[in-house]
Amino acid sequence: KAGVTQTPRYLIKTRGQQVTLSCSPISGHRSVSWYQQTPGQGLQFLFEYFSETQRNKGNFPGRFSGRQFSNSRSEMNVSTLELGDSALYLCASSLAVTGGFTGELFFGEGSRLTVL
Amino acid sequence: TQLLEQSPQFLSIQEGENLTVYCNSSSVFSSLQWYRQEPGEGPVLLVTVVTGGEVKKLKRLTFQFGDARKDSSLHITAAQPGDTGLYLCAGPDSNYQLIWGAGTKLIIKP
Repeated sequence: KAGVTQTPRYLIKTRGQQVTLSCSPISGHRSVSWYQQTPGQGLQFLFEYFSETQRNKGNFPGRFSGRQFSNSRSEMNVSTLELGDSALYLCASSLAVTGGFTGELFFGEGSRLTVL
Repeated sequence: TQLLEQSPQFLSIQEGENLTVYCNSSSVFSSLQWYRQEPGEGPVLLVTVVTGGEVKKLKRLTFQFGDARKDSSLHITAAQPGDTGLYLCAGPDSNYQLIWGAGTKLIIKP
């Protein structure tokens, strides 16, 4: 079956712009999590959506937002981009059940954002 | 706050050598996972360990969960260039979100 699909794979933006990243989870997976990965900070959790509701949120400023649609596809948005937002943004889906840790996360290949 | 510390941060060895990487915490985890991430890809789950003292083998990779469930190790026997990648450990916090270590970047030279 198809894996997690993230688009776009690469993008370049300038400071102050905004960006929207998209993630299509594995069919049947209702949980989608977003991570920021940088060489210095490793994988940092942004937020998790389950059945169109944000279930958990990491320690990122309000410029980072997301949403999930009824088909489980998810988008994340970063407004007023800063140089420090340059990173690989990873989306992961899982067979989450309500209120519990499910086990395996399936990651997409990521969207590499460069902010100039 | 639960933290996972991985060591070493970077390891470069010749093909055929053995190696061990570590994932340590001062907190107890109900389970720990190991993922491998290759360049240009997302992390892929290798194993989940759930019982203190548990040992799991995946071909040349041996994973161990500490008796107190605060640490884990990954041992690779006769490393091959295909083992090159970033090895990440992760464990769930009290909110069922995964906490991640910073990773060990492993390079196996032919």
